Amino acid sequence: NAGVTQTPKFRILKIGQSMTLQCAQDMNHNYMYWYRQDPGMGLKLIYYSVGAGITDKGEVPNGYNVSRSTTEDFPLRLELAAPSQTSVYFCASSYSGLNSNQPQHFGDGTRLSIL
Amino acid sequence: DAKTTQPPSMDCAEGRAANLPCNHSTISGNEYVYWYRQIHSQGPQYIIHGLKNNETNEMASLIITEDRKSSTLILPHATLRDTAVYYCIALTQGGSEKLVFGKGTKLTVNP
Repeated sequence: NAGVTQTPKFRILKIGQSMTLQCAQDMNHNYMYWYRQDPGMGLKLIYYSVGAGITDKGEVPNGYNVSRSTTEDFPLRLELAAPSQTSVYFCASSYSGLNSNQPQHFGDGTRLSIL
Repeated sequence: DAKTTQPPSMDCAEGRAANLPCNHSTISGNEYVYWYRQIHSQGPQYIIHGLKNNETNEMASLIITEDRKSSTLILPHATLRDTAVYYCIALTQGGSEKLVFGKGTKLTVNP
């Protein structure tokens, strides 16, 4: 009964370092999403994918890259970490997307600090 | 997507029903009302959604007024674990994939 699994749960990076946030879902969902949530703020969509091999930019894609080589996995990569990317990152998935009236299921987040 | 308005905070006694209101007076005919919640330090959790009719599932009930300008999420027997921020969202079918959370209602369930 895993649902959406995110790793790591916490990470501290130095400015300029790179890392990949992992996201996996076992619900055979086609759509996957990456959001960031800054303290006291709502979610902002970074990237999303409607299926393997297809990705699209969201509201705040700059500084991030994604790939979707399988249905299950949707990793998010930070190439040159900056303090402005300090945030909590949430991955979500849904069967057929918001425009088909399907809810999103979220992971528990990755808390990332860039110092 | 229609803007929603929720009270910033509410309190409820454990075991009692929690009724969380949401105003969406500009909602259009094809916009669904969704409710999510976020318990501290966890990811958002889907609760329920509806279009016109009242809906019920194992977590909650959703009551939508006949004119669809407002709705109420009902947690029938609130527990301490229901303490969370509750978000009401109006979504257009066929719209963007972006799930926009407003400020929500901070519900505190007291012993």
